[in-house]
Amino acid sequence: QSVLTQPPSASGTPGQRVTISCSGSSSNIGSNTVNWYQQLPGTAPKLLIYSNNQRPSGVPDRFSGSKSGTSASLAISGLQSEDEADYYCAAWDDSLNGHVVFGGGTKLTVL
Amino acid sequence: QVQLVQSGAEVKKPGASVKVSCKASGYTFTSYDINWVRQATGQGLEWMGWMNPNSGNTGYAQKFQGRVTMTRNTSISTAYMELSSLRSEDTAVYYCARAEDGDDAFDIWGQGTMVTVSS
Repeated sequence: QSVLTQPPSASGTPGQRVTISCSGSSSNIGSNTVNWYQQLPGTAPKLLIYSNNQRPSGVPDRFSGSKSGTSASLAISGLQSEDEADYYCAAWDDSLNGHVVFGGGTKLTVL
Repeated sequence: QVQLVQSGAEVKKPGASVKVSCKASGYTFTSYDINWVRQATGQGLEWMGWMNPNSGNTGYAQKFQGRVTMTRNTSISTAYMELSSLRSEDTAVYYCARAEDGDDAFDIWGQGTMVTVSS
């Protein structure tokens, strides 16, 4: 059972816009920033969004993040086949002396 | 280029310990924290803890307290994660990941090290 809750799956057709939600609590998303990671099959995760809505250099602006209260969202516009991957949200949690918590991951399928 | 290169796959028996290394290159090793994250096959990501290579300070997830030790050798820009009293549930890919001092955004990841615990 992950501390952050994500839908296990999402899907869309090429060109569509899809969103992935991430729900937490006051001790994590409610008081800290959210990061998003993309994990392509058989590879290490890659930082996609940091500090709720910032993109690292090289990440296309098709990817965007937002946060409101104890929830966050990742949006992917102009969906492409290469976006098919697992997506994880993460945040610092202030409980238990502080630790990083991840969502359970969302498998995105491009139909 | 900036990268983290991890040691190779390990097979261990229950009760044994494993030590995974993570060699940094392309940046100043002591300027960024090293975190460790693991992933069981087909499962999600699980954070284990962090280490500041400059001070040696560490912070471990409560689940691993008493079983995990994170250390470093600054002369060779290498971080280590040792996990003891291994059980089958510890079978997973272990990743090291870089973050700015005190931050939790992991911008560079190692390629992962598969640790298999089996009798």
